[in-house]
Amino acid sequence: DTGVSQDPRHKITKRGQNVTFRCDPISEHNRLYWYRQTLGQGPEFLTYFQNEAQLEKSRLLSDRFSAERPKGSFSTLEIQRTEQGDSAMYLCASSFPGGQPQHFGDGTRLSIL
Amino acid sequence: GQQVMQIPQYQHVQEGEDFTTYCNSSTTLSNIQWYKQRPGGHPVFLIQLVKSGEVKKQKRLTFQFGEAKKNSSLHITATQTTDVGTYFCAGQDGGSQGNLIFGKGTKLSVKP
Repeated sequence: DTGVSQDPRHKITKRGQNVTFRCDPISEHNRLYWYRQTLGQGPEFLTYFQNEAQLEKSRLLSDRFSAERPKGSFSTLEIQRTEQGDSAMYLCASSFPGGQPQHFGDGTRLSIL
Repeated sequence: GQQVMQIPQYQHVQEGEDFTTYCNSSTTLSNIQWYKQRPGGHPVFLIQLVKSGEVKKQKRLTFQFGEAKKNSSLHITATQTTDVGTYFCAGQDGGSQGNLIFGKGTKLSVKP
């Protein structure tokens, strides 16, 4: 078990570009979560999946944000037409269902020039 | 919507002193979880509290869940430099089906 892995670790892009991040959860976990964390704040919940079903997406920050988990294993988070305010750490976590502890990856740090 | 408030935002202590952080939810929680994030790291799960009035201990750390299941605390006895980091509480209400709402965290620094 190698834990939750996220790729890339860092992403620098120009405003207006699209970016996509990948998360590989712990293989036994069927729940996968995406969070955003800015400096001095706690992780802010964005969306989560149980297997391939996206069960909660109302907290995605805008319609520029979307997430997929097509085969119930890895997930991608896409941000279209990036803005300065999108600069943050994007964290992925996975867990067993039913409010179980979440295991976080190291995150992808996004910087918008 | 549900909010989780945490105080203090920062705490500076001398090594050996005690430390406490407090967490309050705007809604009744089904459970509360505590995480620690070291500088430059990711949140790491510490403990989960489910029952009203529950108290759990992990070595020098004591976690409490309030009777009304709306507040919680983490107390560290005799802090060590290895305790440095930000401690987050994260609440889950019964209707959320899974998503955690994190507090802003308490950043602990320990002076040797």
